[in-house]
Amino acid sequence: DTGVSQDPRHKITKRGQNVTFRCDPISEHNRLYWYRQTLGQGPEFLTYFQNEAQLEKSRLLSDRFSAERPKGSFSTLEIQRTEQGDSAMYLCASSSDQETQYFGPGTRLLVL
Amino acid sequence: GENVEQHPSTLSVQEGDSAVIKCTYSDSASNYFPWYKQELGKGPQLIIDIRSNVGEKKDQRIAVTLNKTAKHFSLHITETQPEDSAVYFCAGGSQGNLIFGKGTKLSVKP
Repeated sequence: DTGVSQDPRHKITKRGQNVTFRCDPISEHNRLYWYRQTLGQGPEFLTYFQNEAQLEKSRLLSDRFSAERPKGSFSTLEIQRTEQGDSAMYLCASSSDQETQYFGPGTRLLVL
Repeated sequence: GENVEQHPSTLSVQEGDSAVIKCTYSDSASNYFPWYKQELGKGPQLIIDIRSNVGEKKDQRIAVTLNKTAKHFSLHITETQPEDSAVYFCAGGSQGNLIFGKGTKLSVKP
């Protein structure tokens, strides 16, 4: 399977804990995006990378959220001091310069 | 801010009928309009996209139309099948910055 992969697929954590998610994009895609999706809503943009550079961050990305893409390949999204409002599906997508974004299966986070 | 409105939020059709989902956008700079299908527990899957230099695009039973003057675009699915049942999202944007609609839950009854 050469599509976008995400790990883990599901994560349950207690409020106040830190969590980290990983995304592996389609090989040779230089752009990588993170989105958040809550029930009954479309994906909401969080941030994106072109190679290893983080080029844009949404206002939704509070200072508890940090994303990295150190070698321009896989990316991690960390949420510190999780809150119940962080419960959502976190989606990763990748694209070449042609704009078409391909999504991974998502990581479903539940904060208790 | 930029916004994409999608209608209807739910749509139920009989197998074999056509389904139409409509979206409007606010950002005049938007030039790329993809449509995604999302099944329960899965990530969105791209089904068709259109760029602003094209008014219509078709791929088998799926077609998309774009009216840049009116800032609206539509998805048309013909000869619907039960496996078309899913949530469909439109999106609009440029330079990779996509704004998504809230989705349409399509149910195709056999």
